[in-house]
This record gives sequence, C-alpha cells and structure tokens, in this order.
Amino acid sequence: GAVVSQHPSRVICKSGTSVKIECRSLDFQATTMFWYRQFPKQSLMLMATSNEGSKATYEQGVEKDKFLINHASLTLSTLTVTSAHPEDSSFYICSAGGQGSRTDTQYFGPGTRLTVL
Amino acid sequence: RKEVEQDPGPFNVPEGATVAFNCTYSNSASQSFFWYRQDCRKEPKLLMSVYSSGNEDGRFTAQLNRASQYISLLIRDSKLSDSATYLCVVNPAGTASKLTFGTGTRLQVTL
Repeated sequence: GAVVSQHPSRVICKSGTSVKIECRSLDFQATTMFWYRQFPKQSLMLMATSNEGSKATYEQGVEKDKFLINHASLTLSTLTVTSAHPEDSSFYICSAGGQGSRTDTQYFGPGTRLTVL
Repeated sequence: RKEVEQDPGPFNVPEGATVAFNCTYSNSASQSFFWYRQDCRKEPKLLMSVYSSGNEDGRFTAQLNRASQYISLLIRDSKLSDSATYLCVVNPAGTASKLTFGTGTRLQVTL
C-alpha cells in the first residue's frame, strides 16, 4: 500500500505554545489529505479535509483558527495546533487518498501523540 | 441511527478459532467499503477492501451485501497477533473523500 509519514511522532509542549505536525505522502501525490484526532478508547474523529492549493474544509465544531492547515504541495500537508492547551492532548493522525484506480482508499500516517502540559 | 454500526465487543476467542464481525451502514448509496485494523496506540492499517463478490486474503474473508447494507469480516485460524480493533469503514462517495468509521470491534485472541 501507499506510504504516508508523519512528523513528529511524539511531542510534549507547554500550554500556550504552537505545535506543527507534518504529513507527507512518500510515493504518490495526494491532492486531498485528511486530519483526524483520536482520544483514548474513542473512535477516530475527522477534523478537516486538506485540499492542495486551497483552503481546508473543517468539520463542525473544529476551530479553523486554532487548527491551521496548510497543503502547499501534492505531497505535504501541515497541521498547526495554535496556543495548545491540555485538552488538545490527543493522537493526531493524517491520511492521504489513494492513487491510480483506487482513489477511494486512504492510507494513514503513523500518527503524532501530542501532550500539552 | 449511526452511519456505520459495529458491535464493540470485545470478542475473546482462543487461538485457532474462527471469528466473524458484522457491520451495517445506513447510506444505501455508499460506494466503497473497507476493513481496517488498529492496534492500541497505533494508526489504522488497511486490511482489505470489500466487494459484493466477496474477497479473500489468506485467513481473512470479507463480504458485502448491498441489499441488506451489511459488511462482514471472517477470520479463520485466529492468531495471537490478530488481537486488535477492527474498523468497518465506508467511503460514501467512492472517491478521495472523507470516510465514515464504525466505532470498531475489539478482538482478543488468547492461548
């Protein structure tokens, strides 16, 4: 399957700081990437759809000014958690749409575990 | 009604057992269907796509019943390493669009 990477894999930061997470599609071009958040023992929750060259589409209840998404190239999307607070501590996962005949398939990055102190 | 419903389990089965998971979806126009596997504190990994004709990959068999809006996953000869949460996932549009996830079914294979 396609390879998606995320960086960093884990980050611990102080309350009030901003954290940038990178998501890269390594062996294919992804015009669309997705950002999810998962709290312990809960389902994945879609935060936003990242579109290359245009603004992201945010799900209801997700603050676009707090979770800044940039999809500047076909292989890179970034999520910046601004002014992070302890309640933002979570597992953030990106995914990228498939390629070729399977554009309906998504492959997930390994995730970034954010802990805000 | 949830868009994708799964029994959360846990299913506790001995090694070597056969176990089946079911999933129902509410959007009859949904186009693509998948089973993903998620290990604790890890990302979901694609296990297999699901087709109406049914598809098999080793010990895993997936089946789609569009008329009943029902998806199944059968695991034969369970291994300890099969212990994970299995996510039923629907792509309503069938393109590079957002997915709808079930809450997952937890499987624990024991000695």
